[in-house]
Amino acid sequence: EAQVTQNPRYLITVTGKKLTVTCSQNMNHEYMSWYRQDPGLGLRQIYYSMNVEVTDKGDVPEGYKVSRKEKRNFPLILESPSPNQTSLYFCASSFEARVGGELFFGEGSRLTVL
Amino acid sequence: QQQVKQSPQSLIVQKGGISIINCAYENTAFDYFPWYQQFPGKGPALLIAIRPDVSEKKEGRFTISFNKSAKQFSLHIMDSQPGDSATYFCAASKLWVSGTYKYIFGTGTRLKVLA
Repeated sequence: EAQVTQNPRYLITVTGKKLTVTCSQNMNHEYMSWYRQDPGLGLRQIYYSMNVEVTDKGDVPEGYKVSRKEKRNFPLILESPSPNQTSLYFCASSFEARVGGELFFGEGSRLTVL
Repeated sequence: QQQVKQSPQSLIVQKGGISIINCAYENTAFDYFPWYQQFPGKGPALLIAIRPDVSEKKEGRFTISFNKSAKQFSLHIMDSQPGDSATYFCAASKLWVSGTYKYIFGTGTRLKVLA
């Protein structure tokens, strides 16, 4: 089954404790991206990757890091989480970065930073 | 200029009624306009999309109406059903200077269809 898998789905952590949210897709997609969803703000892009070893900042990259060492994986790293990073996070992938097409989303990771 | 304004924030419709959600954009370079449907606890999923060379696209009970001159597009759900209760996001996208397509999402509309 074609899918984007995120883990963990739910996480409660404390300020400053490094965490990683994993994302994996099995569709051989070039393009992967991370979004955060906050009430009244919709989906905002954090980082994206056009292909292996190619990543770039989205609209709200502060406090986040990413890496793309393999085509299928695109982890999101919060080096020192803060309460304003409490949010619902979505990983998404698409077949090709240069053509407007369907984004496939994971089921989300709800993060609470105390 | 990169914003997409979506309204209403929430919508309650009787079963069998028509649900209408509106979006407006500023940047005339946008060339792909998808709508995503999100059920509680799930990620958004593509519902229907349109490109600006057509004014309307219909898929089953779902229709996108596109007004290029007004820079507006809307989602119409005919014969709305309780199973349509979800959050709907519009988006506008274009090829960015980075060489990738970038999607600007609206703020979402929470639709509730009463049985």
